[in-house]
Amino acid sequence: SQKIEQNSEALNIQEGKTATLTCNYTNYSPAYLQWYRQDPGRGPVFLLLIRENEKEKRKERLKVTFDTTLKQSLFHITASQPADSATYLCALDIRQSGGFKTIFGAGTRLFVKA
Amino acid sequence: DARVTQTPRDKVTEMGQEVTMRCQPILGHNTVFWYRQTMMQGLELLAYFRNRAPLDDSGMPKDRFSAEMPDATLATLKIQPSEPRDSAVYFCASGLDRLKTNNYGYTFGSGTRLTVV
Repeated sequence: SQKIEQNSEALNIQEGKTATLTCNYTNYSPAYLQWYRQDPGRGPVFLLLIRENEKEKRKERLKVTFDTTLKQSLFHITASQPADSATYLCALDIRQSGGFKTIFGAGTRLFVKA
Repeated sequence: DARVTQTPRDKVTEMGQEVTMRCQPILGHNTVFWYRQTMMQGLELLAYFRNRAPLDDSGMPKDRFSAEMPDATLATLKIQPSEPRDSAVYFCASGLDRLKTNNYGYTFGSGTRLTVV
């Protein structure tokens, strides 16, 4: 069956450390992979997109890797801050006739302690 | 900043009633998604449109849900009749399709929190 798996357990880290979140998928061949941030009571906010032919992408303190052989993406936040505490969602863009549909994992909650 | 506007913000309704949720996508965006979010299921894709044409509504219960884009500035999601299991937050998102850009994601609205009692 097709699945997107993100660690359901919350990730607790100390301020200043690097947070690493994992997204694994099975039986999909995504053309793109996206990461979003969601705060309580709000809609997801787009962070980064990586293409299937890219290995790594960076934006400020954020880094995403994409391994289509392992079917895995890693999302890193360096020098983490309490303000980074949120739920992080990965999303796959799947080709289909006429366009791409975007499906989401369940998300991982991150808590950064001061 | 451009925003995706969803109305109503909150809706409480009795089982069996019709519910209509509305979404105004960002001007110029040609792709619109409807998602439903619950604690148990996470974000589920219900339907999406490209250039106002429905491309996939396989995630929607067809007997009671319908999604339309009567024009480029309005997307609607209707539930008739509503049931308690439909209680969730419904999100609309818009963006440019991958043929136009493959660098950006989608912009979500603030959601409609639906409670069916």
